[in-house]
Amino acid sequence: AQSVAQPEDQVNVAEGNPLTVKCTYSVSGNPYLFWYVQYPNRGLQFLLKYITGDNLVKGSYGFEAEFNKSQTSFHLKKPSALVSDSALYFCAVRGLGGFKTIFGAGTRLFVKA
Amino acid sequence: EPEVTQTPSHQVTQMGQEVILRCVPISNHLYFYWYRQILGQKVEFLVSFYNNEISEKSEIFDDQFSVERPDGSNFTLKIRSTKLEDSAMYFCASSERGQGGELFFGEGSRLTVL
Repeated sequence: AQSVAQPEDQVNVAEGNPLTVKCTYSVSGNPYLFWYVQYPNRGLQFLLKYITGDNLVKGSYGFEAEFNKSQTSFHLKKPSALVSDSALYFCAVRGLGGFKTIFGAGTRLFVKA
Repeated sequence: EPEVTQTPSHQVTQMGQEVILRCVPISNHLYFYWYRQILGQKVEFLVSFYNNEISEKSEIFDDQFSVERPDGSNFTLKIRSTKLEDSAMYFCASSERGQGGELFFGEGSRLTVL
């Protein structure tokens, strides 16, 4: 069975500071890993994904994520947070051969000016 | 930019009634999904659909639920005999690829069961 854990319900960061949103996963075999963002009353938007290759993947809006196989983690990062980054962030995993993408519980990011 | 569209945006129904939620996936996508989100929290997988059949479903997706792709563009979720606990935001998604393909979500249909 596959699962995703986002240990923080909420992350607070000041504008201009770096941010990290944590994610760990459990899946049989090699995972496909994703980050999505949800703004209020909107659908989820894809940010970035790891399929294979370089452990550091870059995505939309200056976000990046680092895949760490030994720690089964896929943390989302951004060097300098913006107030407009405030939203709900979801980590997701899809196992090899499966059809479903499983989402974590979400982490609410607040960026203060 | 192509997008997934969902209708209605909000539906209110009485307990025990049937509802149909409609989705138009992105035209060249082959994989279709329904998810639901209760109270803006966890996003739960309901079902995936590929090649005109269900490819995977969750325990939530019992006999009360069904999906259909009645023509080349629409993808529907039918909920029979709705219950109070079916109140949620239902999201349709599609992807171009099965394995590593990211999901493109619609804006959601909010279902309120009274």
